[in-house]
This record gives sequence, C-alpha cells and structure tokens, in this order.
Amino acid sequence: GQSLEQPSEVTAVEGAIVQINCTYQTSGFYGLSWYQQHDGGAPTFLSYNALDGLEETGRFSSFLSRSDSYGYLLLQELQMKDSASYFCAVRGRNTGFQKLVFGTGTRLLVSP
Amino acid sequence: GAVVSQHPSWVICKSGTSVKIECRSLDFQATTMFWYRQFPKQSLMLMATSNEGSKATYEQGVEKDKFLINHASLTLSTLTVTSAHPEDSSFYICSARESENIQYFGAGTRLSVL
Repeated sequence: GQSLEQPSEVTAVEGAIVQINCTYQTSGFYGLSWYQQHDGGAPTFLSYNALDGLEETGRFSSFLSRSDSYGYLLLQELQMKDSASYFCAVRGRNTGFQKLVFGTGTRLLVSP
Repeated sequence: GAVVSQHPSWVICKSGTSVKIECRSLDFQATTMFWYRQFPKQSLMLMATSNEGSKATYEQGVEKDKFLINHASLTLSTLTVTSAHPEDSSFYICSARESENIQYFGAGTRLSVL
C-alpha cells in the first residue's frame, strides 16, 4: 500500500521560514502534492511535484527527491494566516493512478 | 481556481435516518470524484472513488451498502449515508479531479447523528 509520514506539529513566529517534511512509500510514484487546510475548512491545493527539484509559488516552495522518497514544503515570510494543517499526498500505481492518498498532516502554529 | 460545491455544509439527523450529500463541480466536468472522511485533528481518509456512469470503487473497510454513491452526471456525485448512527458522525469531504495533477475539494459536510 501507500504510506506517508509528516511531523505532527511545527511552531514558528511571524516572518520566519519553516520546512515541513514528508516521506512516502508507494509503488509506481506519480507525484507529490501539498494541501493546506484551515480548521473546519476544505483542503486547498498548494503545489505539485512530479519531477525532482524545487517548485516555487510565491511564499511557498515545494521540493521533491524521488530517489529518497522525500519531499518538503517550505513556507517563507510566515504570516498568522498560515496557521493551518498541511498535508502531503501521493498518487501511486498500486492503488490506481486516480487516487490521492494523504499523509498524516502537520499542524503549523504561527505566533506573533 | 475551479470550484467544487458541496451541500449541505452541516446536517443533524436522528439515528436510523438517511442523509444525502451532494457534490458538484461548478466550472469543469469531472469524470472522477472522490469522497473522504475526516475525524477531528486527523488526516483525510479516502472512502471511495466515484466514476461517472459506473459503480463506485470503495476502499477496504468501507461498507458500500452503508455509503451509497451515485455519479449520474459529469458534474454531480452524491453520497448517501444510510441508516446513520452516532459513529457515522464525521466531516465528509468530496473532491473532483480537474486534471492529472489537481483535485479541488468541496467545503465539507459536518454530519452529527443523534
């Protein structure tokens, strides 16, 4: 099957930089996605990596190393509104290309 | 970005009743939609994959007779929780795949069974 591991909680202060790691196990890897979810809200798409390297989108960047089955989400210039849960998610061949399986989630707490 | 509408956002029902949740893709056609369940402070657990015009594919451990899924059109999938019980109380979220890499999520439905 598929499994993804993330730290359960990360804390940081406004203006800081934080990195949320994700390690995964899957057969036939297609890509790693990142989603943000505020309490009581829907997950929103942040980024997607299919190939090794860094993808940058504004204050957020995502990195992937397929050989290490590892990725991370980098959040820069943290703002209070970034306090949320962040999930990595993968698609794998063993469960069918269509399905997106989520990691355990990392709760980010940004303090003043 | 694309919008997925989920309705209702919150429902309270008596034990033994059935509840229907609708999921619509508003500005794109979705041949594939997904239904997730999320308990407080936990991850999203995939329940089933809904394919337009065919039967849904359920994940292991999910009762297909308990959670009925219908995907009658390219923009609408429904989840019916039949004979709901308190243990079915949860946050249910639908998602529609717009492209190979991107899924958009509905706002979720909080179900409370008394």
